[in-house]
Amino acid sequence: EVQLVESGGGLVQPGGSLRLSCAASGFTFSSYEMNWVRQAPGKGLEWVSYISSSGSTIYYADSVKGRFTISRDNAKNSLYLQMNSLRAEDTAVYYCASFDIWGQGTMVTVSS
Amino acid sequence: SYELTQPSSVSVSPGQTARITCSGDVLAKKYARWFQQKPGQAPVLVIYKDSERPSGIPERFSGSSSGTTVTLTISGAQVEDEADYYCYSAADNNRVFGGGTKLTVL
Repeated sequence: EVQLVESGGGLVQPGGSLRLSCAASGFTFSSYEMNWVRQAPGKGLEWVSYISSSGSTIYYADSVKGRFTISRDNAKNSLYLQMNSLRAEDTAVYYCASFDIWGQGTMVTVSS
Repeated sequence: SYELTQPSSVSVSPGQTARITCSGDVLAKKYARWFQQKPGQAPVLVIYKDSERPSGIPERFSGSSSGTTVTLTISGAQVEDEADYYCYSAADNNRVFGGGTKLTVL
């Protein structure tokens, strides 16, 4: 079964850090460009970050640039998002997605 | 950066044709994707490359493009098509979703 499963979300204080993981299965992960997309409660989708299939090309939304780092390990079929200096406005469900395949999301709450 | 603009809501009766537009300068030179999202669920790709339909997506979903506007058309909308719909496009390091359109079918 083609699947993406996110993990690592939770409650964190402002200024704190979290590392999200996304485990891929059922398809050739190393051939796919990947993204992190987030959705704040009651709001629309927001693209966060992109990484090419090899990991050589990376892009970030202005809202997270300098604070978030995307990476992947094709040998482990895994995608990551290191999130530092978290703010209340980063509170959202975070999805990993190749766009034709989406995970179910992991909730990140930034609050004191 | 650039923006993609969608109407906030569209309403049709079952069996009618629903059209959702997405406008933005980038669409004149880059393809768009459309995603359907139902409450509490992850988004689902329904259209890519402006008008291509992934396998498993019903034929009533179609897409078109003209200039700086792309349109998602649902021919003979059904109650189960009620959802939020988002357009998306990417140009190098600029990647953005539209604000989303709530489609009501009743």
